[in-house]
Amino acid sequence: GENVEQHPSTLSVQEGDSAVIKCTYSDSASNYFPWYKQELGKRPQLIIDIRSNVGEKKDQRIAVTLNKTAKHFSLHITETQPEDSAVYFCAASIDTGANNLFFGTGTRLTVIP
Amino acid sequence: GAVVSQHPSWVICKSGTSVKIECRSLDFQATTMFWYRQFPKQSLMLMATSNEGSKATYEQGVEKDKFLINHASLTLSTLTVTSAHPEDSSFYICSARDIMAVLTEAFFGQGTRLTVV
Repeated sequence: GENVEQHPSTLSVQEGDSAVIKCTYSDSASNYFPWYKQELGKRPQLIIDIRSNVGEKKDQRIAVTLNKTAKHFSLHITETQPEDSAVYFCAASIDTGANNLFFGTGTRLTVIP
Repeated sequence: GAVVSQHPSWVICKSGTSVKIECRSLDFQATTMFWYRQFPKQSLMLMATSNEGSKATYEQGVEKDKFLINHASLTLSTLTVTSAHPEDSSFYICSARDIMAVLTEAFFGQGTRLTVV
């Protein structure tokens, strides 16, 4: 099955700086890569996703890049704010409609005011 | 966005008893729902795929007789933890996808924190 690795496990940045989280995946058939933000004890919230037919996607301060050849994808958050502090998970799946997601191990992001 | 409701949000039960967790899609239909388990400070681990009208598909290492899944309708899947033990204490969370939509996200329930004492 799919194996998703995520780095770093913890990340602290000063408010206003950028944060980058990286993930690699093993199954070349995976074609859907969402990123989730999870606050303590709450459900994961989708923040951005990318499909294999594009290499980059941006939504305001958040961007995701995908390198299908190298099988890695990254989340970029610019101008970080304290409310960005949370655990972020990457995931990968073969988007056949079943949407079976395999999650990375998570990154705890702390934005220091 | 679509809403997935999970009930209960938290439950405490005695060791040896069974606990049922419900996952409902409130404003869409889902032929497939997914059950995940999340231990503290760890990632979400897929336990099983719940298929409406048929048997669930379990991931390797997940005991199907211990974690009973029923998906009786297009809007409801249930997970029953049978003969619960303290090591089953965890955050259980479901997800569902709208069968009528193409290229959409998975919507998660709010999760159920199970504590077995």
